[in-house]
Amino acid sequence: DAGVTQSPTHLIKTRGQQVTLRCSPKSGHDTVSWYQQALGQGPQFIFQYYEEEERQRGNFPDRFSGHQFPNYSSELNVNALLLGDSALYLCASSGGTSGRLSYNEQFFGPGTRLTVL
Amino acid sequence: AQSVTQLDSQVPVFEEAPVELRCNYSSSVSVYLFWYVQYPNQGLQLLLKYLSGSTLVKGINGFEAEFNKSQTSFHLRKPSVHISDTAEYFCAVSWMDSSYKLIFGSGTRLLVRP
Repeated sequence: DAGVTQSPTHLIKTRGQQVTLRCSPKSGHDTVSWYQQALGQGPQFIFQYYEEEERQRGNFPDRFSGHQFPNYSSELNVNALLLGDSALYLCASSGGTSGRLSYNEQFFGPGTRLTVL
Repeated sequence: AQSVTQLDSQVPVFEEAPVELRCNYSSSVSVYLFWYVQYPNQGLQLLLKYLSGSTLVKGINGFEAEFNKSQTSFHLRKPSVHISDTAEYFCAVSWMDSSYKLIFGSGTRLLVRP
């Protein structure tokens, strides 16, 4: 059973550029959440997608946007990159069965390491 | 505001010794609680979770945690650590207020010495 996969594993961009990160959820899951983990810190919630809609959003600017496709995979887009956007971006999947509990147990991918120069 | 506190940024311990990593959260409103482990240059792996039921939760790799509602704590324990347990450990909380997001602590680095 494939777990959560993310691509690419590493990415180097320059300030002002745009980036797209991709995530495929664990088989059977229908919800994808994105987190940003700066060096030496805990992950911070960016947003969550369910049924191709943004269900919840954390305290991130509009430069951060996302999308969920009918097959439940997801993209995270960041525009006008800043040096401070350098971080590990984690995707987590959950849900897919009835009941609220399944949506709280999130399984994480290996992450995409974004470096902004 | 909802918050999660991990009081120790680093915990050094000798191999085969017991260890406790502390986690406190800000509200007594009903919560779901998690511990994740992160090895260098990897994502997060779920160690254990408390969703309901018994307050003593057992997880993988011999770890366990106890939910204490009155103290709003969820401390992680292992009776005997191994070198391979060296990693970063994160406590995470989800509040039962229709919020599905996880709020993480800042992490505790467990350093196991031979």
